[in-house]
Amino acid sequence: DGGITQSPKYLFRKEGQNVTLSCEQNLNHDAMYWYRQDPGQGLRLIYYSQIVNDFQKGDIAEGYSVSREKKESFPLTVTSAQKNPTAFYLCASSAGAATCTFGSGTRLTVV
Amino acid sequence: SQQGEEDPQALSIQEGENATMNCSYKTSINNLQWYRQNSGRGLVHLILIRSNEREKHSGRLRVTLDTSKKSSSLLITASRAADTASYFCATDRGGSNYKLTFGKGTLLTVNP
Repeated sequence: DGGITQSPKYLFRKEGQNVTLSCEQNLNHDAMYWYRQDPGQGLRLIYYSQIVNDFQKGDIAEGYSVSREKKESFPLTVTSAQKNPTAFYLCASSAGAATCTFGSGTRLTVV
Repeated sequence: SQQGEEDPQALSIQEGENATMNCSYKTSINNLQWYRQNSGRGLVHLILIRSNEREKHSGRLRVTLDTSKKSSSLLITASRAADTASYFCATDRGGSNYKLTFGKGTLLTVNP
């Protein structure tokens, strides 16, 4: 089955620690996205990539970093510079200007 | 920045009733889409309407788009308890930049 896989489902981060969220797709989509969702806030765009080896900042990129070395993969690193990282993180992909396919999300909690 | 704003924020209805959710946006768009999210899960695409379309149907879903008012509505007819979820509108501005901008969503509760 084609789809988009996020891992892990739950992640706990200690203060000052960097953590990396995985996102893999086998849909052959060129574009991939990372969104953050807080309660009552909807989805906010962190980073997006329209092609391999290229990515752009979204609305809330501070404290996050990404890479796009392979078409299938778009990992997100939450750095220690992100002061309030507790949230639900959603990865998505699309074939250009089309509908997005979402992963099932990673819930990150600071402990 | 949030492009879309859904209204109402929450809606509670009985099974069998119709549910209407609205979305307003601020700038010109290329497409408007509606997505559904069950609690704690990813989003699922429901329907896409292009800026030159006024109405679209898919099963029990009916979407309208009024570009002069910068607004869209999603109607779910004959609702079921399984329709309980959050519903989001999302817009893109077309061209070479096709990222989606989402609203805050409407939480729909369908009571059996």
